[in-house]
Amino acid sequence: DAGITQSPRHKVTETGTPVTLRCHQTENHRYMYWYRQDPGHGLRLIHYSYGVKDTDKGEVSDGYSVSRSKTEDFLLTLESATSSQTSVYFCAISVATSVADTQYFGPGTRLTVL
Amino acid sequence: KNQVEQSPQSLIILEGKNCTLQCNYTVSPFSNLRWYKQDTGRGPVSLTIMTFSENTKSNGRYTATLDADTKQSSLHITASQLSDSASYICVVSDNAGNNRKLIWGLGTSLAVNP
Repeated sequence: DAGITQSPRHKVTETGTPVTLRCHQTENHRYMYWYRQDPGHGLRLIHYSYGVKDTDKGEVSDGYSVSRSKTEDFLLTLESATSSQTSVYFCAISVATSVADTQYFGPGTRLTVL
Repeated sequence: KNQVEQSPQSLIILEGKNCTLQCNYTVSPFSNLRWYKQDTGRGPVSLTIMTFSENTKSNGRYTATLDADTKQSSLHITASQLSDSASYICVVSDNAGNNRKLIWGLGTSLAVNP
């Protein structure tokens, strides 16, 4: 699992409340990603980071913000959760290989917004 | 529009049998194609990555093929085991080494029954 942990693993919250998901890695990888996975959709990139304090938007970034103050931690924040943000969220890191950068994923966080 | 389509959507086979999963893509430009295995409740795990110059790549009982001319790939599983029950996802990159540009398929759900 490339030393990736996510917390919490499960969360139920109410519409309008802020939520922060944490991704922690132990191997000092530069690139980190947040994805969401929903039925009927492939994994969709929310935000990514290419270093401490260096982040950028993915294809579904509206309603989400991220922060990376340390190499090992990448935080995803839903400022005001909505029911459409009910999903499974995966964090990933990438490791360079001879072919391409390979992504390794965390175990996921299941978020339910009521 | 860049797309990755997988077939069948789901498949049930008996333990010990072989099976082949299909992936067709319309991604351009093409950089590499990846197959992931995702167990229920867990993050995707990389099986293979192939560039346009590679026709076949194996990882144990998993063999992926790529035909860049017809834009098709297949994943062949030999002598299936109960632990092969999972979703298998085809992913195509349109930009070398850039994990921000991955197009994810919806996956084939494989059930291996005893």
